[in-house]
Amino acid sequence: DAKTTQPNSMESNEEEPVHLPCNHSTISGTDYIHWYRQLPSQGPEYVIHGLTSNVNNRMASLAIAEDRKSSTLILHRATLRDAAVYYCILSADAGGTSYGKLTFGQGTILTVHP
Amino acid sequence: DTGVSQDPRHKITKRGQNVTFRCDPISEHNRLYWYRQTLGQGPEFLTYFQNEAQLEKSRLLSDRFSAERPKGSFSTLEIQRTEQGDSAMYLCASSLRLAGTDTQYFGPGTRLTVL
Repeated sequence: DAKTTQPNSMESNEEEPVHLPCNHSTISGTDYIHWYRQLPSQGPEYVIHGLTSNVNNRMASLAIAEDRKSSTLILHRATLRDAAVYYCILSADAGGTSYGKLTFGQGTILTVHP
Repeated sequence: DTGVSQDPRHKITKRGQNVTFRCDPISEHNRLYWYRQTLGQGPEFLTYFQNEAQLEKSRLLSDRFSAERPKGSFSTLEIQRTEQGDSAMYLCASSLRLAGTDTQYFGPGTRLTVL
């Protein structure tokens, strides 16, 4: 599986934007970039995913570099409820042999200060 | 609440005992995954079902572990002769196979403690 690299931790202040980076230099053409987050004592929660173009949803935005070797998850206004571990994951096309399984790394621990 | 439920939420057992966990996925989801998560680590893939067929098992899944998904609905994960190293959070996720990629919805997990 292609690997991702994320900072171990980041801090932000409430109501400020947060940019969470992810490097994935060995990404293949069929890999989707997924972001999940895990709040304390809960299962992971889907945040957003993309293939080549930038994506927006109600939770966040995903900015993908033109060469696809890196991406950035953007939380436009952090709240205390956004404090979580954020995982950047590459997942091959769900029709391929990986069946869409997710390979989690260590993730980035986001701390949000009031 | 994602719509995926797991039972029990917590299980404490003695080494050598057998335990069974249940996962109820979102009803129309045809894919079901089991993951295991130890403290401070990200979840690790264990096994995957498409409908009732178990299509992939991780090398992490020793022969003491078995999973089933009868009739393609709920799934069970059984661990026989538990060991202290089996202590972890066991997570279940489900998704609906569509073209491209799919989104997995995770349950709250079952925390297993082996004494």
